Amino acid sequence: GAVVSQHPSRVICKSGTSVKIECRSLDFQATTMFWYRQFPKQSLMLMATSNEGSKATYEQGVEKDKFLINHASLTLSTLTVTSAHPEDSSFYICSASSETDTQYFGPGTRLTVL
Amino acid sequence: GQNIDQPTEMTATEGAIVQINCTYQTSGFNGLFWYQQHAGEAPTFLSYNVLDGLEEKGRFSSFLSRSKGYSYLLLKELQMKDSASYLCAVARSGNTPLVFGKGTRLSVIA
Repeated sequence: GAVVSQHPSRVICKSGTSVKIECRSLDFQATTMFWYRQFPKQSLMLMATSNEGSKATYEQGVEKDKFLINHASLTLSTLTVTSAHPEDSSFYICSASSETDTQYFGPGTRLTVL
Repeated sequence: GQNIDQPTEMTATEGAIVQINCTYQTSGFNGLFWYQQHAGEAPTFLSYNVLDGLEEKGRFSSFLSRSKGYSYLLLKELQMKDSASYLCAVARSGNTPLVFGKGTRLSVIA
């Protein structure tokens, strides 16, 4: 299967700081990448759809100015959590879509905001 | 609207067979996926069905009936490491986001 990496795998930051998470498709080109958030024992929640070279499409209730998404190339998308607060602490997971619509997930980034 | 239903929790015995059902109602259909997610980890791809019938892959098999809006994931010779959440997801068209069910938490007991 295709490989998707995420970096960092774990980050702890102070309230008010910004955190950038990278998502890379290592062995295929992904025109579309997706960003999810998951709280403990809850379902995946789609935050936004990221298309290479265009603005991301955010789901209802997700603040686009707080969660900045950049998809600069066919293999890289970044999510920046700006002015992070403790309630932003969560497991952030990206996925990249192949030609067959199969979504391959990155290993996730666990964000803890103190 | 988009709706995917699967049981919340299931328990099965090591060595046994378990079937996890999924029913869906979505606007558009371009295939159904099953993912496995262990606690604290990201989902991993298990199977993809776009045509009716059974797809077998080792201990795991997945079945699809498009006319009934129904799929199941069959796990044979259960092992303790199979304890995880199993997510059913439907692709609608193109590169639109998958619609995920809430997942079925499977516990394998000795």
